[in-house]
Amino acid sequence: AQSVSQHNHHVILSEAASLELGCNYSYGGTVNLFWYVQYPGQHLQLLLKYFSGDPLVKGIKGFEAEFIKSKFSFNLRKPSVQWSDTAEYFCAVNHRGFQKLVFGTGTRLLVSP
Amino acid sequence: NAGVTQTPKFRVLKTGQSMTLLCAQDMNHEYMYWYRQDPGMGLRLIHYSVGEGTTAKGEVPDGYNVSRLKKQNFLLGLESAAPSQTSVYFCASSRQTGAAGNQPQHFGDGTRLSIL
Repeated sequence: AQSVSQHNHHVILSEAASLELGCNYSYGGTVNLFWYVQYPGQHLQLLLKYFSGDPLVKGIKGFEAEFIKSKFSFNLRKPSVQWSDTAEYFCAVNHRGFQKLVFGTGTRLLVSP
Repeated sequence: NAGVTQTPKFRVLKTGQSMTLLCAQDMNHEYMYWYRQDPGMGLRLIHYSVGEGTTAKGEVPDGYNVSRLKKQNFLLGLESAAPSQTSVYFCASSRQTGAAGNQPQHFGDGTRLSIL
């Protein structure tokens, strides 16, 4: 079955620390990749997406992600986190031409001031 | 800009009761989706629709029905609620994607449903 793995379930960081959240998927074909963020009590919002081209994509709020096809990975990074980045982060993947997204289980990030 | 609106925001039901969750979008999107979010399990697709009058099953469709009578609305029904359906339900919509499948989904604020 197609799956998306987020190995870090909970991450706790201090402000200004660097962040990297892992995402691996099991698809063999061409994929579209997304990172969504859910702030406490809010709906999911798109952070960034990769469809094609430069494998290093930049999103909102200083986040970026790198697509490494050989590793089936799409890790999310931020050089210096802020308290306001406290949220749950979801990686999602779909096959080209197939709109249904498969989500990872999410990573809860807590940034302490 | 309303985007995707879900009603109600909270509801408590007794086992066996029925209810309908309403999702409305004002972005003229073709595709709409219903997900449930449970701790440690991420979002799982219940049903989706690729256009008015069409629906399809997702990953966890049992116990739910849906209807898309109007393009802007997507209803999720629970005919006989069970405690296992206690969850947070999210609706989403997206543009028609064509061959690429790369349109991001836009989410509503969610409905927190408790079944006693």
